[in-house]
Amino acid sequence: GENVEQHPSTLSVQEGDSAVIKCTYSDSASNYFPWYKQELGKRPQLIIDIRSNVGEKKDQRIAVTLNKTAKHFSLHITETQPEDSAVYFCAASATGGSYIPTFGRGTSLIVHP
Amino acid sequence: DSGVTQTPKHLITATGQRVTLRCSPRSGDLSVYWYQQSLDQGLQFLIQYYNGEERAKGNILERFSAQQFPDLHSELNLSSLELGDSALYFCASSAGPGDYGYTFGSGTRLTVV
Repeated sequence: GENVEQHPSTLSVQEGDSAVIKCTYSDSASNYFPWYKQELGKRPQLIIDIRSNVGEKKDQRIAVTLNKTAKHFSLHITETQPEDSAVYFCAASATGGSYIPTFGRGTSLIVHP
Repeated sequence: DSGVTQTPKHLITATGQRVTLRCSPRSGDLSVYWYQQSLDQGLQFLIQYYNGEERAKGNILERFSAQQFPDLHSELNLSSLELGDSALYFCASSAGPGDYGYTFGSGTRLTVV
């Protein structure tokens, strides 16, 4: 089955800095890669996703890049704000087989004012 | 409000007991997924139902079972509870079995004492 590794487990930045979270996956059939943000005690919420036919996608301060050859994808947050503090999960899934996303273990992002 | 409704929000019960968690999917969604999130752990997929039928199974214990009813709501039954079953249990829904649009409910926090 799919295996998703996520790094780092904790990321501490100053407000205004950029943050990068990286994930690798094992199944070359995976073609959909969502990112979820989970604030303390709340539900995971989809913040951005990317499909295998594109290499990069942006939405305001967040962007995701995908390298299919190397089987890794990354979340980039620019101009971080305290409200970006949360746990971020990456996931990978594939059509044609299991549609169930396999999640990484999460990255706790702390943005210091 | 995500449109996915989970009840109860909190549940405290003793070891050896049995509980039922309930999930109503977003209007129009036919698929329901159950996830377990333990402290400092990622999201562990338990089981998926699509239009009343079991579609995929993850690392779900034999003491756990689930079903999806004709009105599409789903119930997750946890029996012979152990301390280690204490966790947040999330339900998510999507329109179809291969639909990437994945919406989580607010979760049920189960505490086994």
